[in-house]
Amino acid sequence: QSVPTQPPSASGTPGQRVTISCSGGSSNIGRNTVNWYQQLPGTAPKLLIYTNDQRPSGVPDRFSGSKSGTSASLAISGLQSEDEADYYCAAWDDSLNGVVFGGGTRLTVL
Amino acid sequence: EVQLVESGGALVQPGGSLRLSCAASGFTFSTYWMHWVRQVPGKGLVWVSRLNSDGSGSSYADAVKGRFSISRDNAKNTLYLQMNSLRAEDTAVYFCARAFTRNALDIWGRGTTVTVSS
Repeated sequence: QSVPTQPPSASGTPGQRVTISCSGGSSNIGRNTVNWYQQLPGTAPKLLIYTNDQRPSGVPDRFSGSKSGTSASLAISGLQSEDEADYYCAAWDDSLNGVVFGGGTRLTVL
Repeated sequence: EVQLVESGGALVQPGGSLRLSCAASGFTFSTYWMHWVRQVPGKGLVWVSRLNSDGSGSSYADAVKGRFSISRDNAKNTLYLQMNSLRAEDTAVYFCARAFTRNALDIWGRGTTVTVSS
């Protein structure tokens, strides 16, 4: 299976809009929905986006997700200092019969 | 309060065994798929295993297949991960997580640390 690929880092200034990409393969993102997780330093991951573009209760609408083909994106608008975290995409992989995570993107708010 | 609490992490020698537990509370445990995910400090998340709600179906990452076994006791609201033939590369924080869809992990524990070293 093609493990999803993310840029290792991203950055932006407060108020800016930042996007994080996630490129997978036909056995995962190409056939299944994408979820995004946020991990603040020293904490457990938190579900941020599920089923490509759905936000769990309590997640601000500054966070949005999209998917096209074998790629997905997470967008964060109105960037805030508390958004500084690691972000992971993930999808079910039909070949693995399990979950594949992207390598993660560390977002820095300058 | 919906909660997952892992336990059982320890320092173990290469080749040894360990059983992790994940105690669930605040929700109907028996109706959810459950997953184990691990993370080497400073590195990314890596999926380890999953188990469906009644324990009848499981799958594993290639790196642990044949060595790890996932199970659950729905009467005790507890998920387990039996880890055998441990290797240095199994050293990580192990998280259990609830899946509210097949793979959308909406509730996570705080993790338990496994260190494999002589």
